This record gives sequence, C-alpha cells and structure tokens, in this order.
Amino acid sequence: DAKTTQPNSMESNEEEPVHLPCNHSTISGTDYIHWYRQLPSQGPEYVIHGLTSNVNNRMASLAIAEDRKSSTLILHRATLRDAAVYYCILRDVWWKGNEKLTFGTGTRLTIIP
Amino acid sequence: EPEVTQTPSHQVTQMGQEVILRCVPISNHLYFYWYRQILGQKVEFLVSFYNNEISEKSEIFDDQFSVERPDGSNFTLKIRSTKLEDSAMYFCASSEGRGSYEQYFGPGTRLTVT
Repeated sequence: DAKTTQPNSMESNEEEPVHLPCNHSTISGTDYIHWYRQLPSQGPEYVIHGLTSNVNNRMASLAIAEDRKSSTLILHRATLRDAAVYYCILRDVWWKGNEKLTFGTGTRLTIIP
Repeated sequence: EPEVTQTPSHQVTQMGQEVILRCVPISNHLYFYWYRQILGQKVEFLVSFYNNEISEKSEIFDDQFSVERPDGSNFTLKIRSTKLEDSAMYFCASSEGRGSYEQYFGPGTRLTVT
C-alpha cells in the first residue's frame, strides 16, 4: 500500500476553517484518496474521497494537488464535535483483494472553544 | 440512517475461553470486515468477507480466529482460545461492494481478556 504522511496533531479554534494536510508522494494512478475520522470512543467514520478533482460534501472539502502527491482535507467551520483523529488513506478500490483500509496514526485534531 | 450494530459493547473473558463477537451489517451491503484497535494503537485490518467466504485476511487473523455469516443478517467473529494480547476494541464494518468508497463502521466491542 502506498504510504501517507500526516502531522501527529493540530489545533484549531472553534468556528474557524481547518486545513488538514496529507502527503502521498508514492501514490499510483489508480489510488483513490480517502479520509476517515475517529471520534473519541467511536468507530472510524467515512468523511470524503477523491481521485483527481477537488470534492465537496456536507462534511468537508478535499483539495487534491495537481500532481496528486498531496491533499488537504478542509473543514470549513470547525465545531467541538469535529475533534477527532483524521486518517488519510490511499486505496485502489477496484483491485481485487484490496478491500481493506490501512490506517496510519492520523492527525489528532483538537478544537479550542 | 442505516447503521452497523455490534453486541456486546463490552465483553470480559478469561484467558483460554472462546468468545463470539456479533455484528449486524447494513442490510443491502455485500462486503463485511473486522478490524481491531489495541488501546492507544492504530486500527488494524483483520479480515474481509464476501459471498460467504473470506476474501482477504491479515497476518493477525490466524487459526484462532474465524468468521461466519450464520444467517442473512448477522456477521460474527469467533476467537477460539483468547489470549491477553487479544484485548482490544473490535470494529465491524460493511460496504455495498467492490468499488465502494465508504466502509461503515459499528461502534465496536471492547474485549477484555483477564
């Protein structure tokens, strides 16, 4: 599996935007970029995914660099409920035998009231 | 909104005992997974299951582990003879099928082996 690098931790003030970076310099052409998060004492939760173009959904936006070697998860207005560990995961969803998600250590996001 | 459920939320067992962790995946999903997370560590993949057979498993998933879909709704993980190091949070997940981008996770079962 291609490797991702994320900062161990980040802090942000409540109601401000948060930009969570992820580096994936060895990404292959068929790898999708997925983001999951894990709230305290809960299971992981899907946030967003993308391949080449920037993506928006109700939870967040995903900005993907033109060379696809990095991406940024954007929470537009952080709330206390967004305090979690955020995982950036590469996955080739169409490759047989590669259904699993490989979690790294992620970025622990702390929201300051 | 449909969700994955798991029972029990907490299971305490003695070393050497068998445990069965139960999951009810989302009803129209075809792929099922078990992951575990030892306290303070990463979430680790154990096994994926499709069409009533294991499609992928990790090195952790040795002969002590087995999975089963005994009926149309439940998905179980059995540990035959628990060890202290099996103490962890066990998460079940499901997805619609190959090519699905989202895996939906349950709330987990905390297994404590004493």
